[in-house]
Amino acid sequence: EDQVTQSPEALRLQEGESSSLNCSYTVSGLRGLFWYRQDPGKGPEFLFTLYSAGEEKEKERLKATLTKKESFLHITAPKPGDSATYLCAVHNTGNQFYFGTGTSLTVIP
Amino acid sequence: DAGVIQSPRHEVTEMGQEVTLRCKPISGHDYLFWYRQTMMRGLELLIYFNNNVPIDDSGMPEDRFSAKMPNASFSTLKIQPSEPRDSAVYFCASSLARAGPFFGPGTRLTVL
Repeated sequence: EDQVTQSPEALRLQEGESSSLNCSYTVSGLRGLFWYRQDPGKGPEFLFTLYSAGEEKEKERLKATLTKKESFLHITAPKPGDSATYLCAVHNTGNQFYFGTGTSLTVIP
Repeated sequence: DAGVIQSPRHEVTEMGQEVTLRCKPISGHDYLFWYRQTMMRGLELLIYFNNNVPIDDSGMPEDRFSAKMPNASFSTLKIQPSEPRDSAVYFCASSLARAGPFFGPGTRLTVL
């Protein structure tokens, strides 16, 4: 069965301390992998779509990369405003969507 | 663009009552999704439509749940009768083809 696993479940960083979030996936055929940011009480906010291994996307302090088995969301010099839950999702060739349970990121001033 | 619009934002009802959640997708998007989010189960896909046609409703928990999309700019998710275990945040999302879905602000449902 297709599935998405995110790690770690929770991450605490000091402001300026760069790190990476992991999204491992098992999928019969990948059509796309998505990263979202979710703030408390709000809907997930779309960040990136990656379609094939080797692809990279960047937005401000965030950079997403994709291999055939996993994706990383790299956060460079995070700020307290980057604190949120980051969700990963895959879209397979059977037109099914699977979300991971997310990584809760806290950036301490 | 106003983004995905959902109403109501909050709904409190009593067990056994009918609940109707509404969604207006982003104009031009051809996919519409209904998700449910709880602390225990995370985000669960309930049903999705392509060009107003339901494609996969395997995530709909029971016959008490039904969804319709009468046109490209409107969809409803109905729960009848509602139960306390249906309490959750319900999100509507829309997308264009393979792109990642854009989510609405959600409806927080509490069933007493």
